[in-house]
Amino acid sequence: QEQLVESGGGVVQPGRSLRLSCVASGFTFSSYGMHWVRHAPGKGLEWVAVIWYDGSNKNYAESVKGRFTISRDNSRNTLYLQMNSLRADDTAVYYCARSGDDSGYHTTWGQGTLVTVSS
Amino acid sequence: DIVMTQSPDSLAVSLGERATINCKSSQSVLYSSNNKNYLAWYQQKAGQPPKLLIKWASTRESGVPDRFSGSGSGTDFTLTISSLQAEDVAVYYCQQHYNTPQMFGQGTKVEIK
Repeated sequence: QEQLVESGGGVVQPGRSLRLSCVASGFTFSSYGMHWVRHAPGKGLEWVAVIWYDGSNKNYAESVKGRFTISRDNSRNTLYLQMNSLRADDTAVYYCARSGDDSGYHTTWGQGTLVTVSS
Repeated sequence: DIVMTQSPDSLAVSLGERATINCKSSQSVLYSSNNKNYLAWYQQKAGQPPKLLIKWASTRESGVPDRFSGSGSGTDFTLTISSLQAEDVAVYYCQQHYNTPQMFGQGTKVEIK
């Protein structure tokens, strides 16, 4: 069955960096766009970024543009999120999610990894 | 950006009764070339990742009980749970996938009355 497993979360001080990873299995990773979505405590879901199946195109939420970078390694079935200049309001559970066969709805989600930005 | 607004923010429904959640987009998410509405619904239970329920505004995802249905077009959409079950307690989100950023609604919390 399709599975996504995130890792790399933790506690980090404001202004520092963190890299999240998401390993995919059970589907042809290189055929699908992939997303990062976050869920801050007490708030709703926030879409963060998307990368096309071949890495040729990337888009970001305004709140992370210039600070976060999405990338992928199709040879390793792995999605990444490099997060720089972290702020307290980046504190959230970060999920990776797979695009649908024919559009950008999110069919498969990981269990999430918690990022806490605090001094 | 296409802003998604859900109503109500929360609702309490008796077991077996109907629950209705509304979602409005700030601009149409209907793509004229294929006549599809780029609108999805997700269910998120406490401590779990979201789960896709409905895509294309009204197409139920495989394995989703048929008590869940989606309707609407253009800018106004509805998720209906025809007969609320205890396991349906969750927060429900609409999301537009018409363009980026793919905005979510603020969520609607469904509880048992």
